[in-house]
Amino acid sequence: AQKITQTQPGMFVQEKEAVTLDCTYDTSDPSYGLFWYKQPSSGEMIFLIYQGSYDQQNATEGRYSLNFQKARKSANLVISASQLGDSAMYFCAMREGLGAGNQFYFGTGTSLTVIP
Amino acid sequence: GAVVSQHPSRVICKSGTSVKIECRSLDFQATTMFWYRQFPKQSLMLMATSNEGSKATYEQGVEKDKFLINHASLTLSTLTVTSAHPEDSSFYICSAAGTGLYEKLFFGSGTQLSVL
Repeated sequence: AQKITQTQPGMFVQEKEAVTLDCTYDTSDPSYGLFWYKQPSSGEMIFLIYQGSYDQQNATEGRYSLNFQKARKSANLVISASQLGDSAMYFCAMREGLGAGNQFYFGTGTSLTVIP
Repeated sequence: GAVVSQHPSRVICKSGTSVKIECRSLDFQATTMFWYRQFPKQSLMLMATSNEGSKATYEQGVEKDKFLINHASLTLSTLTVTSAHPEDSSFYICSAAGTGLYEKLFFGSGTQLSVL
């Protein structure tokens, strides 16, 4: 089974509107971290936000928020007030357990296009 | 925040030559680094996990004799693509993570390899 599933290959959003990018995950480990990264056309991977499995509240970072529904195993990214610069690929990732050697699992990504 | 430096950012080489890509953690000690490969508009594919002072762990299907990984110090890991062929052309990204559940993955800026 896929560890991380992103079902939206491409999304469009009007500038200044909010958009939700879906992510579901699969793990039996009680300790895990969920991450979202943005990859613009330049190729660099930019960290956006994380959510720990034990966190009680949804994570927020500026215009980014993570809608964490543990029972459903979903960690959707919400971008509010979309900007043209938000057009990029977005990857959801998960890390299980502790330790620097634990690998990250990435989803297939969602290509977001912000329309002026 | 922690920075991972990757060099070169772009390389063009002739078929049959070898190419070395360097990945340095600039302000933290990375006992483990990850090497990813990414095809256009696709997700990151983990190639290998590089551990300081020991042999790298390769993912299934990745040729260890083709992609040589050396992690000689806590701040430097190298990936050498030996006898490169056009099918090796891709975007290669290194990354390093700190310990702890919530430590995010820090990425290098990536290397675009084009083999003629």
